[in-house]
Amino acid sequence: GAVVSQHPSWVICKSGTSVKIECRSLDFQATTMFWYRQFPKQSLMLMATSNEGSKATYEQGVEKDKFLINHASLTLSTLTVTSAHPEDSSFYICSASPAGNYGYTFGSGTRLTVV
Amino acid sequence: EDQVTQSPEALRLQEGESSSLNCSYTVSGLRGLFWYRQDPGKGPEFLFTLYSAGEEKEKERLKATLTKKESFLHITAPKPEDSATYLCAVQAGSGGYQKVTFGTGTKLQVIP
Repeated sequence: GAVVSQHPSWVICKSGTSVKIECRSLDFQATTMFWYRQFPKQSLMLMATSNEGSKATYEQGVEKDKFLINHASLTLSTLTVTSAHPEDSSFYICSASPAGNYGYTFGSGTRLTVV
Repeated sequence: EDQVTQSPEALRLQEGESSSLNCSYTVSGLRGLFWYRQDPGKGPEFLFTLYSAGEEKEKERLKATLTKKESFLHITAPKPEDSATYLCAVQAGSGGYQKVTFGTGTKLQVIP
């Protein structure tokens, strides 16, 4: 149980375009999902906390208008990287936790390359 | 500010050579400490959650322990398939706001 699916696994886009990444909890409902970013040889950095039916909470230094988060249902959160630039190239990972369980399940990640 | 420090950064072991990975933390209001395994290009895979000092959990060749300041991940008689980056994370905070902070990981290589 507690499976999180993330799509796409990798994407290459041109500079200036927008990319949407989906995160789905397959066998549980997640009122809260988390979005992380990971640079090579570095740890996961929390970008934002996605709350179902309300606005996301962004960490300090993360641009809200650039990284749009939508959590429209209890099983789906999306991260849209708007007007992507090469410096946005990174590994983006989402996670969620079933209610009452402190163990967090992660998606398989999305490798974004902006050219 | 919550801090999580893992050591060593990298560890190279011979197959069967047991060792331990360390995770030191400084947080306010610890709710849980997590260990994950991450293979290259993939998301972290959950291993353990520890909630209070003195707690221990085991899974195959792995055993995680927790004190008030640090956690250890003991690897007994490792095999090459145990090669991965092991991440430690802590969940801390109170009320409606709780945050998970990750360490930078220990990259383990087990040589046949």
